[in-house]
Amino acid sequence: AQSVAQPEDQVNVAEGNPLTVKCTYSVSGNPYLFWYVQYPNRGLQFLLKYITGDNLVKGSYGFEAEFNKSQTSFHLKKPSALVSDSALYFCAVRPLGNYGQNFVFGPGTRLSVLP
Amino acid sequence: KAGVTQTPRYLIKTRGQQVTLSCSPISGHRSVSWYQQTPGQGLQFLFEYFSETQRNKGNFPGRFSGRQFSNSRSEMNVSTLELGDSALYLCASSLEPREGLEQYFGPGTRLTVT
Repeated sequence: AQSVAQPEDQVNVAEGNPLTVKCTYSVSGNPYLFWYVQYPNRGLQFLLKYITGDNLVKGSYGFEAEFNKSQTSFHLKKPSALVSDSALYFCAVRPLGNYGQNFVFGPGTRLSVLP
Repeated sequence: KAGVTQTPRYLIKTRGQQVTLSCSPISGHRSVSWYQQTPGQGLQFLFEYFSETQRNKGNFPGRFSGRQFSNSRSEMNVSTLELGDSALYLCASSLEPREGLEQYFGPGTRLTVT
């Protein structure tokens, strides 16, 4: 069975500092990997995805993520955090090659950017 | 292009009642998925519809059901509501259920069961 782990419930970072939100996954075969962000009282917004190719993926709002196959990780990063980045972040996986597989989401990591 | 819309946004029901939630996907999107979000269980997949057919179903009791119409709009129904059904129900759409395509989420319906 596939699963996604986000080892930190909460990440605090000062505005202007780099941020990292961690994600590791367990799937059979190769996965497609996604990051979403959720602001209060809102649905999830798509940030970026890894399908194939370059291990460093760039997405919306200056976010990027690094795919590491050997460590089965897909950490979300941003060089300089903004207070407005404070939100709940979800990593998700959808296994490759099985048309019927659904998205599996991690538990979420709450990011707080302190002014 | 308008995003995914869900109605109603908020709902209060009594235990034992039933409820129907509605979702209109982004124009041109034919795949619709439903998720339940709770503080304790996180985001859990309910079901996915494409071309009016249920393609995939999560691990939820039969009280949870859904359907998709020819215009891709979808509804989900929960019968015999229980207190534990209180949650944010999210609908997501994509062009089709191809693995590499991202889903776009609506704002959700907040269901409270008393």
